[in-house]
Amino acid sequence: EVQLVESGGGLVEPGGSLRLSCVASGFTFSSYWMSWVRQAPGKGLEWVANIKEDGSETYYVDSVKGRFTISRDNGKNSLYLQLNTLRGEDTAMYYCVRGFSHSSGWFDSWGRGTLVTVSS
Amino acid sequence: DVVMTQSPRSLPVTLGQPASISCRSSQGLVFSDGITYLSWFQQRPGQSPRRLIYKVSNRDSGVPDRFSGSGSGTDFTLEISRVEAEDVGVYFCMQATHWPPLTFGGGTKVEIK
Repeated sequence: EVQLVESGGGLVEPGGSLRLSCVASGFTFSSYWMSWVRQAPGKGLEWVANIKEDGSETYYVDSVKGRFTISRDNGKNSLYLQLNTLRGEDTAMYYCVRGFSHSSGWFDSWGRGTLVTVSS
Repeated sequence: DVVMTQSPRSLPVTLGQPASISCRSSQGLVFSDGITYLSWFQQRPGQSPRRLIYKVSNRDSGVPDRFSGSGSGTDFTLEISRVEAEDVGVYFCMQATHWPPLTFGGGTKVEIK
């Protein structure tokens, strides 16, 4: 069974930083793109970032470029998202999502999420 | 960026009756490999999203066969043949053909009349 377990969320002041983590199990982590998707309270879904299987390519939504960094450690089956210079509009539930495989396409498995609240 | 427009935003349905959700993209969604990367997700209250349909019409494992996806080009539809109480929630379409960014529709809230 595929499992994605996020951690690291919390309350942070504007301008602060957080590091989100996601531990994956139940599949060959190194064979999949991985992603972060967020959802502001009461709002829709917003893709945040993608990372290729070997970590050689990363992509971001414009609103987080230069502030967020996605990374992975295939030896630890772990995905990370470093959040810097946080703003109120970054307040959201952040989901770790299994990204892409040729057989099943995009976003077939989601974690339960970790909540990031940016407020003074 | 590809804009995904869903309608309606709210859909009250009688139990046992069909429901249909539309999703339109601002550009055609056929990728260079010939595949259309259009997916549908269900988010029940208080839960994470769950993918129901991928590549327009492929149902995910464990998804009841009352859910079906169709469409082509820029127009796509999710249909529920007979709505059950467990189908209450918000449904999102998403395109992964032209990215970055991958983009979602605004969501359709399905509720029971």
